Amino acid sequence: GIQVEQSPPDLILQEGANSTLRCNFSDSVNNLQWFHQNPWGQLINLFYIPSGTKQNGRLSATTVATERYSLLYISSSQTTDSGVYFCAVEPNSGYALNFGKGTSLLVTP
Amino acid sequence: EAQVTQNPRYLITVTGKKLTVTCSQNMNHEYMSWYRQDPGLGLRQIYYSMNVEVTDKGDVPEGYKVSRKEKRNFPLILESPSPNQTSLYFCASSLKVKGVTQYFGPGTRLTVL
Repeated sequence: GIQVEQSPPDLILQEGANSTLRCNFSDSVNNLQWFHQNPWGQLINLFYIPSGTKQNGRLSATTVATERYSLLYISSSQTTDSGVYFCAVEPNSGYALNFGKGTSLLVTP
Repeated sequence: EAQVTQNPRYLITVTGKKLTVTCSQNMNHEYMSWYRQDPGLGLRQIYYSMNVEVTDKGDVPEGYKVSRKEKRNFPLILESPSPNQTSLYFCASSLKVKGVTQYFGPGTRLTVL
């Protein structure tokens, strides 16, 4: 199946710092989504971004489908940004979203 | 508000006692699916449904059943739960089968003693 690798696995930031999370995938995809799993376990949709660039407030994402990677940018981080960020891809064959192992982010005051 | 809802959100039960986790979406989505999340194993798909009365196995279907009698509902049934089904369960839905945003429910944390 398709491999999804996220880096870094863990990240600690001070409030106000910026960060970049990376997602590499091993094959072409129909769909790529970024999620934030909050400390209560809920999976929050951040972006649907199979290609191109999108921005939503302090967050933005870029996917370069031809090079099989996506980046999630978090600017001016806040403590509420803490949690695990997942990249998930939908391969051309099959119906399941394939999730990466996530980047665990801790933002300290 | 467009959403996917799951009930219950938390459940502690005992081995062998049948249970159902409900999932409902109000977005007229065709596609619905169930995932479980386990430490070290990530999120894995259990079952999916492309439309009413159309369901199929995902990657880890053993010990689970599903049904899709109405478009909005996709319950997950554990006929005889076992401790290895202790997990965090998510229901998801999307407008069509592929190439669109999938929306996830809030999760159901199940403990089987």
